[in-house]
Amino acid sequence: DAGVIQSPRHEVTEMGQEVTLRCKPISGHNSLFWYRQTMMRGLELLIYFNNNVPIDDSGMPEDRFSAKMPNASFSTLKIQPSEPRDSAVYFCASSSGQDYGYTFGSGTRLTVV
Amino acid sequence: GESVGLHLPTLSVQEGDNSIINCAYSNSASDYFIWYKQESGKGPQFIIDIRSNMDKRQGQRVTVLLNKTVKHLSLQIAATQPGDSAVYFCAEKPGSFKTIFGAGTRLFVKA
Repeated sequence: DAGVIQSPRHEVTEMGQEVTLRCKPISGHNSLFWYRQTMMRGLELLIYFNNNVPIDDSGMPEDRFSAKMPNASFSTLKIQPSEPRDSAVYFCASSSGQDYGYTFGSGTRLTVV
Repeated sequence: GESVGLHLPTLSVQEGDNSIINCAYSNSASDYFIWYKQESGKGPQFIIDIRSNMDKRQGQRVTVLLNKTVKHLSLQIAATQPGDSAVYFCAEKPGSFKTIFGAGTRLFVKA
C-alpha cells in the first residue's frame, strides 16, 4: 500500500486565492482526519470523517475553510479566500477504526504571501 | 517582532543510551494511547500503542508504560540511535474517533 497520499507537497499562493488540498486515504480505512501543524499551535484537528460523513468540524477555524469527502478514496480541504495566517503544514490521516492509530500523509506545506 | 512558538521539551541523549520520554495525559476517560514519531519534513508515524487494560507493552526497542492513577504515559527507547532523533508525540483517545495530541518532545541523539 502506498500509504496516505497528499497533494500537492508544497503550495505557494497569493492572499485571496483559493487553495485546494487533496488526500487519498489508505484503502479500507473508514476514518479520515485533516490536521494543521504550526510552530505556534502544534497539531490541530480541523475536521474528521467517518464513512465519508463529516463527524466533527469544530476545529475548522473559519467559514473560509471547507472539507469534502465525496467517496471513500478522496477528500479535499479548501480555503477560500486564503490569508497569510493560513500558512502551515496540513496533514491528512486515515484510520481503520476507533481503536486504532492513524496513518499520516507527508503533508502539504502551504505558504500564503 | 519576535515570533513566539511552542517551546518543546527537549531530551538529549548519547547514542547507545536508553531514552525515556514522559507525557501527562488529560482525560480520565481515555482508554487508548499511542506514541507517534515525527521526523523533519514528514508526517507523524505510529510507533506503539497501549490500551487502558494494560500497564506495559513492548515493541522492537520501544516500551510504553501507562500509569492510569496519575495519568502518565512514558516511552522508553533502548540503545538510542541517531535515527531516533525526532519529535515524539503522545496521544490519547477518550473512546471516540478523535485523537488528542500532546505538544511533543524533541529527542536529540548525540553521536
